[in-house]
Amino acid sequence: QQPVQSPQAVILREGEDAVINCSSSKALYSVHWYRQKHGEAPVFLMILLKGGEQKGHDKISASFNEKKQQSSLYLTASQLSYSGTYFCGTHYNTDKLIFGTGTRLQVFP
Amino acid sequence: DGGITQSPKYLFRKEGQNVTLSCEQNLNHDAMYWYRQDPGQGLRLIYYSQIVNDFQKGDIAEGYSVSREKKESFPLTVTSAQKNPTAFYLCASSPGQGVYEQYFGPGTRLTVT
Repeated sequence: QQPVQSPQAVILREGEDAVINCSSSKALYSVHWYRQKHGEAPVFLMILLKGGEQKGHDKISASFNEKKQQSSLYLTASQLSYSGTYFCGTHYNTDKLIFGTGTRLQVFP
Repeated sequence: DGGITQSPKYLFRKEGQNVTLSCEQNLNHDAMYWYRQDPGQGLRLIYYSQIVNDFQKGDIAEGYSVSREKKESFPLTVTSAQKNPTAFYLCASSPGQGVYEQYFGPGTRLTVT
């Protein structure tokens, strides 16, 4: 069962902030975040392994609320390079990574 | 430089022909994966392998076959039984079983007419 991401699409001006959510009806045992630019391969951003964990680098961070079965990705002071499609993924306590529905982010000057 | 290579980048085939997509990694990773991506859609798992000579079906394995004879290589064959083979195919690897980040190759865009 695929995690659901919201919103489906976001349009930003440079410098604005955005939040992307990843929700599941089943317990999440880990959350991965990837960014994919058009026509390219997904690039790993970060993994959150347990509830309550927060991670970040540069101006991109994420949190994992295990009880709510949800993770959020925070993009602060967005740059043009942040444009792309963001995917969350989870293992659901199996050895397969199941990707979410995706969120398309466009940043304009 | 370590990484994953996929070839070719673009591939064109006639309907009814089998086609094999190459995936090679020199990261010394145990696990390898094949995903399919349709335009504007997410990634769907076709097959994965955690060790040499062993592989498991993913969510959309019908019409596809794989082999894992070497740790570095995980080729995917798209057979004529796959009803809608035109798609972007991505190969990935990770250090092993469990919760590891996956490293993706550049992808192969297959068009079948």
